[in-house]
Amino acid sequence: DAGVTQSPTHLIKTRGQQVTLRCSPKSGHDTVSWYQQALGQGPQFIFQYYEEEERQRGNFPDRFSGHQFPNYSSELNVNALLLGDSALYLCASSRQASGNTIYFGEGSWLTVV
Amino acid sequence: AQSVSQHNHHVILSEAASLELGCNYSYGGTVNLFWYVQYPGQHLQLLLKYFSGDPLVKGIKGFEAEFIKSKFSFNLRKPSVQWSDTAEYFCAVNAKSSASKIIFGSGTRLSIRP
Repeated sequence: DAGVTQSPTHLIKTRGQQVTLRCSPKSGHDTVSWYQQALGQGPQFIFQYYEEEERQRGNFPDRFSGHQFPNYSSELNVNALLLGDSALYLCASSRQASGNTIYFGEGSWLTVV
Repeated sequence: AQSVSQHNHHVILSEAASLELGCNYSYGGTVNLFWYVQYPGQHLQLLLKYFSGDPLVKGIKGFEAEFIKSKFSFNLRKPSVQWSDTAEYFCAVNAKSSASKIIFGSGTRLSIRP
């Protein structure tokens, strides 16, 4: 068990709707990153949160936003959903001080219809 | 541009065959290198990692990888595969200065015939 928990496991949304995905990092970790994994592809970096601020961002539009809470948990929000947003969304956590070992959750499967 | 290339999209082997999956990367600066595995229905798991030192690294389940800096390569090897190695394998890289941002390859699906 990686220790990173995500919810929900699966969900179906309609085009144009908004979705919120949640992540609790592994105990002792303070940094959360989000990735999108489309079918048949490798995960792509969306953004990273540390100390409740977005620190880095990948090549994703502003429809993708996030938040980190004081307890280090995080949310990923996607607005105005498109069919192409259908993917597995992965949360990863790490400890900023030791930075290099990253643990992934099992992901949230989002289907947009 | 930062990128990771995995040469084989789908590899099919018989049990006990030897495995080598190719990986090349393009990334400015000092990097860390990883191989992750994703078994069907499971989360990404770290197989092995290279941060520095001996370029031949050993990971879990009998896997190893060799970092060849001059070729920008980090190929994954296993002398004798098992049916349980059936999975998707991802090569990945990050900058030492930006550890949380990992660049993944597109993955290689490994199918093992029993």
